[in-house]
Amino acid sequence: AQSVTQLDSQVPVFEEAPVELRCNYSSSVSVYLFWYVQYPNQGLQLLLKYLSGSTLVKGINGFEAEFNKSQTSFHLRKPSVHISDTAEYFCAVSERAGAQKLVFGQGTRLTINP
Amino acid sequence: DAGITQSPRHKVTETGTPVTLRCHQTENHRYMYWYRQDPGHGLRLIHYSYGVKDTDKGEVSDGYSVSRSKTEDFLLTLESATSSQTSVYFCAISETGQGATQYFGPGTRLLVL
Repeated sequence: AQSVTQLDSQVPVFEEAPVELRCNYSSSVSVYLFWYVQYPNQGLQLLLKYLSGSTLVKGINGFEAEFNKSQTSFHLRKPSVHISDTAEYFCAVSERAGAQKLVFGQGTRLTINP
Repeated sequence: DAGITQSPRHKVTETGTPVTLRCHQTENHRYMYWYRQDPGHGLRLIHYSYGVKDTDKGEVSDGYSVSRSKTEDFLLTLESATSSQTSVYFCAISETGQGATQYFGPGTRLLVL
């Protein structure tokens, strides 16, 4: 079984500041890793995913994440945030075999202040 | 946007009544999933389907059943709704393939009184 822990439930930052949203996971098997974003009153949208290869993954809207196998982490970063980045962010994992069911973290609410 | 619709988008019902939520896709994707979203829990998988008439349980399946008689439709039924099933329900679809992206519908907000 897998589990995902997002270490911060809320992260407030000022506009144009950098941000890091932290994600740790636990799994007895190899996994794929995902970050999704949810804007208010909407469904989830994929930001980026790690399947294999380079541990630094670039996604949409200027976000990137780094897979660290030894620390079982997949932290999300953006060098300069915008008001429009205000949303809830979810880290998720899935097994590399089978139906690839997603296991989500609890979510991090990112609030951008002007 | 992936062609996923959910109906109804909002529903208020009473404890003990059956409720059916519908997910419809126009992408012809093999996999379909039902999740529920609750504060502090993120999203949790209820049931999923890997083909017509092929379904399996997820993490929080008690009190829910599903059916998939056509590729494009995946129904979630609350057999006898309880207040603990008040939640936002999301349908997702994905293609076959390792690490395939799941695409999410707009959600259904369900209130059980």
